[in-house]
Amino acid sequence: RKEVEQDPGPFNVPEGATVAFNCTYSNSASQSFFWYRQDCRKEPKLLMSVYSSGNEDGRFTAQLNRASQYISLLIRDSKLSDSATYLCVVNPPLRAGNNRKLIWGLGTSLAVNP
Amino acid sequence: DGGITQSPKYLFRKEGQNVTLSCEQNLNHDAMYWYRQDPGQGLRLIYYSQIVNDFQKGDIAEGYSVSREKKESFPLTVTSAQKNPTAFYLCASSITQGGGELFFGEGSRLTVL
Repeated sequence: RKEVEQDPGPFNVPEGATVAFNCTYSNSASQSFFWYRQDCRKEPKLLMSVYSSGNEDGRFTAQLNRASQYISLLIRDSKLSDSATYLCVVNPPLRAGNNRKLIWGLGTSLAVNP
Repeated sequence: DGGITQSPKYLFRKEGQNVTLSCEQNLNHDAMYWYRQDPGQGLRLIYYSQIVNDFQKGDIAEGYSVSREKKESFPLTVTSAQKNPTAFYLCASSITQGGGELFFGEGSRLTVL
């Protein structure tokens, strides 16, 4: 099983739709989780941090399911400007030698259509 | 405005030449990172630094070198030993190393001809 796995998509949705992505992770002891947004040929930008069960910020909700080892990102009322790649990032538990290096997913591509 | 500045944005070099990419931050962050991103691949960590005058190899350090002489600056040199240097290079910083909240520069796109 890959350390972090995301459905690459693309997810094509109409404006105003609700869309959800999942991200599965392999290390059950992982401590914290993050969603980043990356526009085409641009740098990633932090969207949300998840330290406990979930987090909500406006139209965006992230939920953590530790039992099934996945985090989800829900986007409500999609806007054209939400079109981007969404990267899932897992912060593994501290172990000797790993210095808690982040593990990045390959991303899920979202296209919101008019 | 606080942030991270990378330069140059675009760079073309001939094979066999060393190239240095600049990264400067004014966020007063202790930790800085260099990642590489290739099409269809996730971000891969090249080097990171937790504090001035200290840096550690990431997952793909071969063919790269860094320095951290000042808190604000973390330049990356792509040497001729790097077999496949054409890529999108991203510099990032965080308040401390080990957290997941990174701030990225706009990236440097290196093409080796």
